[in-house]
Amino acid sequence: AQSVAQPEDQVNVAEGNPLTVKCTYSVSGNPYLFWYVQYPNRGLQFLLKYITGDNLVKGSYGFEAEFNKSQTSFHLKKPSALVSDSALYFCAVRPLNYGQNFVFGPGTRLSVLP
Amino acid sequence: NAGVTQTPKFQVLKTGQSMTLQCAQDMNHNSMYWYRQDPGMGLRLIYYSASEGTTDKGEVPNGYNVSRLNKREFSLRLESAAPSQTSVYFCASTPTGLPSYNEQFFGPGTRLTVL
Repeated sequence: AQSVAQPEDQVNVAEGNPLTVKCTYSVSGNPYLFWYVQYPNRGLQFLLKYITGDNLVKGSYGFEAEFNKSQTSFHLKKPSALVSDSALYFCAVRPLNYGQNFVFGPGTRLSVLP
Repeated sequence: NAGVTQTPKFQVLKTGQSMTLQCAQDMNHNSMYWYRQDPGMGLRLIYYSASEGTTDKGEVPNGYNVSRLNKREFSLRLESAAPSQTSVYFCASTPTGLPSYNEQFFGPGTRLTVL
């Protein structure tokens, strides 16, 4: 079965510190990988994606993600967290042989403390 | 561009009532999706439409029906609402069908409560 895990329900970091939100996946083949962010009472917004090539992908708002094929992981990172980064973050994969479907992780709530 | 719009924003139903959630996109996207979001479960796909005129079941289709009215509009209908359908519903779209690395664009959501 295709699945995405985000092992931490909640991540707390101090403003100015680096942050990491973890994602691992179990799908067949080489999927496309995505990160989305959801602010309160809003829809999901796209942050970044990995298609192929360089394992470090840069996205919106200073976020980046590192793809690790051997560990089937796609962790989201930011060198210096802002209070405004506090939100719910979702990892998603789109297996190439799984029809139209994206598979989403359960989400990780990030709280950046001033 | 308005992007993906959804109506209504909030709705309260009694068990057994029916309603239709509306979704429209103005980005000329081919594929559209309906998800439900429940705490700790992420987004689960209810139905999707790869292109105008086609619809397919997702992970949790029971209790729902959909209509792809035209390229812009994709509606979700609850024929007989149940408390288990209390959730936040999101519509999304992408530019093309298979194979695609395009990201999804999401609407603002509809918060539905079934009493």
